[in-house]
Amino acid sequence: DAGVIQSPRHEVTEMGQEVTLRCKPISGHDYLFWYRQTMMRGLELLIYFNNNVPIDDSGMPEDRFSAKMPNASFSTLKIQPSEPRDSAVYFCASSLSSGRISYNEQFFGPGTRLTVL
Amino acid sequence: SQELEQSPQSLIVQEGKNLTINCTSSKTLYGLYWYKQKYGEGLIFLMMLQKGGEEKSHEKITAKLDEKKQQSSLHITASQPSHAGIYLCGARGGNYGQNFVFGPGTRLSVLP
Repeated sequence: DAGVIQSPRHEVTEMGQEVTLRCKPISGHDYLFWYRQTMMRGLELLIYFNNNVPIDDSGMPEDRFSAKMPNASFSTLKIQPSEPRDSAVYFCASSLSSGRISYNEQFFGPGTRLTVL
Repeated sequence: SQELEQSPQSLIVQEGKNLTINCTSSKTLYGLYWYKQKYGEGLIFLMMLQKGGEEKSHEKITAKLDEKKQQSSLHITASQPSHAGIYLCGARGGNYGQNFVFGPGTRLSVLP
């Protein structure tokens, strides 16, 4: 398996533009997570899905952020409109649950480095 | 909400030396995960600890969980330049929760 795939790897955009980040989880995994990493705040969980359904989006910073998972093999994180403070590395991760509770590790993608000018 | 603290924030050691990184939780731990991150890359899973007193080893890295103290330690024996990177501890927000919180990370440099 190729692991978690994210695209693009780097994105530079201007303030006010729409940004869409993409993630393909590991095949068969039923949990998908979106994280944001900055020097100031470290690694923060934004939202996670179970079987394509959003379970907890309490980490999503504002209404400008939205995430979707239309099927088991694809998810998007959209920022509209983008702001300079959104500049960060965005990671997608997936995991496979064992029964009701998942104790298995999360597999991380390489991340998308977003710069908003 | 649960918070994780790590110490030290950064560490520079000479190749061959042993070192320890600590992770302390503000709340009860329901599983503690250790990850390693290299600059510009994603996180790589190292180990998961579930039970108090549990200890796991992989190559020269050993992790322990002290559930009562809500702490975990990561010990590297005879460090090598390949061990350099950022080590992060992570924990679940609750026993049945999938939400994850991570520590701020410990930046390790190993001098040849």
